[in-house]
Amino acid sequence: AQSVAQPEDQVNVAEGNPLTVKCTYSVSGNPYLFWYVQYPNRGLQFLLKYITGDNLVKGSYGFEAEFNKSQTSFHLKKPSALVSDSALYFCAVSPRDSNYQLIWGAGTKLIIKP
Amino acid sequence: DSGVTQTPKHLITATGQRVTLRCSPRSGDLSVYWYQQSLDQGLQFLIQYYNGEERAKGNILERFSAQQFPDLHSELNLSSLELGDSALYFCASSVGTGGRVAGTGELFFGEGSRLTVL
Repeated sequence: AQSVAQPEDQVNVAEGNPLTVKCTYSVSGNPYLFWYVQYPNRGLQFLLKYITGDNLVKGSYGFEAEFNKSQTSFHLKKPSALVSDSALYFCAVSPRDSNYQLIWGAGTKLIIKP
Repeated sequence: DSGVTQTPKHLITATGQRVTLRCSPRSGDLSVYWYQQSLDQGLQFLIQYYNGEERAKGNILERFSAQQFPDLHSELNLSSLELGDSALYFCASSVGTGGRVAGTGELFFGEGSRLTVL
């Protein structure tokens, strides 16, 4: 079965430090990859996506994600964390077959401490 | 502001009752998606409509139904409500295409409707 794994329920980072939120997937072919963020009591917001091309994708709010085909991973990164980055982050994958349905990870809670 | 509007924001009702959640997509978006988010189940895809027609169905219970109207707004109907139906229900929209559910485009989410069943 196709799946998306976010292995960490929660990630704690000190403000100013680099952050990484991990995502791996088990999907056939070359899927499209997405990251979304959900701030408290808000809907999800699109951060970035990988379709093809450069393995490093830049998105909103200074976030970037690195696609690694051999490891089937799409980790979200930011060089210097802000307290305002504290939120719930979702990885999603869209296979290039089966109607391109989105498969969602369970989400990772990111906590940035001052 | 994503441009997706959901009403009501909060709803409290009793078991056995029926409620209707409403969603207005972003201007120009033809696809509407409904998701359920609960603490223990994460984000669950319920159903998708494209230009008035059902396009994809996920883990939607038979007690739940949805439709998309000619003006492209959508309604999610939840009936015979149970305690376990308490959750945050999100609507999302995208431009979409006829041949793909999500395609390469991102989804734009509303703020959600928080349903509490007592």
